[in-house]
Amino acid sequence: KAGVTQTPRYLIKTRGQQVTLSCSPISGHRSVSWYQQTPGQGLQFLFEYFSETQRNKGNFPGRFSGRQFSNSRSEMNVSTLELGDSALYLCASSSQGGKETQYFGPGTRLLVL
Amino acid sequence: QKEVEQNSGPLSVPEGAIASLNCTYSDRGSQSFFWYRQYSGKSPELIMSIYSNGDKEDGRFTAQLNKASQYVSLLIRDSQPSDSATYLCAVNRSGNTGKLIFGQGTTLQVKP
Repeated sequence: KAGVTQTPRYLIKTRGQQVTLSCSPISGHRSVSWYQQTPGQGLQFLFEYFSETQRNKGNFPGRFSGRQFSNSRSEMNVSTLELGDSALYLCASSSQGGKETQYFGPGTRLLVL
Repeated sequence: QKEVEQNSGPLSVPEGAIASLNCTYSDRGSQSFFWYRQYSGKSPELIMSIYSNGDKEDGRFTAQLNKASQYVSLLIRDSQPSDSATYLCAVNRSGNTGKLIFGQGTTLQVKP
């Protein structure tokens, strides 16, 4: 089975712009979780989608949003980018979510200038 | 108090030795526990999942869970230089959603 894929792999944006990141889960997986990783804060949960519904959300401002499509692919959007949004954005998929094992994609590295 | 705590290290061991990585968590109701390995510039890679008290072995890796002490550990036997990486402990508190809480990670250095 192919693993989790994320596009694009690298992005450079300027403050105030918006960005959309994409994640395709492992075939058959219905749950997609998104995480932000920074040197200072480590890995932090953004949100989880299951069957096109957001099931849980982390402590991030409303500028961070996401959605999931009927084929389980997910996108996350960050509006009005700030310098502090520079990070590695990771998505992870699992079959049903919950306490199941999550498998991570390669990540999208976002640099905000 | 952080929800998931790990010693940031670096933990340095000689090649062939046993590396012991530790993690404590604050929520007694936590359901599932994971160890991920992350090489510099790469994404986390699953090493082991553990759900019930006791030991779970997979090759050179053994995870140990003690829910009463709120403690989970990872032992790496016959450590190799290729094991040099950051090891992340992750906890799923509720079991109902796919929200993992991660520790800050322990950097392991295996010296030839």
